[in-house]
Amino acid sequence: DTEVTQTPKHLVMGMTNKKSLKCEQHMGHRAMYWYKQKAKKPPELMFVYSYEKLSINESVPSRFSPECPNSSLLNLHLHALQPEDSALYLCASSQDEADRNTEAFFGQGTRLTVV
Amino acid sequence: GQNIDQPTEMTATEGAIVQINCTYQTSGFNGLFWYQQHAGEAPTFLSYNVLDGLEEKGRFSSFLSRSKGYSYLLLKELQMKDSASYLCAVMDSNYQLIWGAGTKLIIKP
Repeated sequence: DTEVTQTPKHLVMGMTNKKSLKCEQHMGHRAMYWYKQKAKKPPELMFVYSYEKLSINESVPSRFSPECPNSSLLNLHLHALQPEDSALYLCASSQDEADRNTEAFFGQGTRLTVV
Repeated sequence: GQNIDQPTEMTATEGAIVQINCTYQTSGFNGLFWYQQHAGEAPTFLSYNVLDGLEEKGRFSSFLSRSKGYSYLLLKELQMKDSASYLCAVMDSNYQLIWGAGTKLIIKP
């Protein structure tokens, strides 16, 4: 199994809603990532979890809250988002954050629209 | 600062060969990745180079020169399905991926 599975694939939410994005991998990878990608731009790193602990938070607003319940799961909790937060949210995993040959496997992403 | 440069867009003909260049300036270097991304989809891994030279994988090859801060992705026998964005990404000294803006490749019949 070399897949990273993200749910939902599409999400439309109002600015007062609370929702969560989910990511799952069963490759035994110990590093998991959340990226945000706007149209025609490269992915922007948001958070990195290494061995289930948050190792990097790239100055992301508190309306985005990551959670890593176990080594296979990564969630992104959303609350009070703004329309400019509409984007493709990508989850990725890799063998080990500190491993040199760290090929990242990406999920298919969640297309988020904030209305 | 950290910087990755690649052309914004390239056009090539089906069956031909195209080379997509990437130059980088980063704080440290722990490898360079090429990813392919079709519109609306997630990036998929193509290649990884950490030593100088050419890595060949089927129709795709990737080259690295660390002294020049330069890489290229070579696509041979182009097919219509190769129309996509190609992203160059460098892993810096903190093992973080620094991404280029991507090169949109258009294949014409």
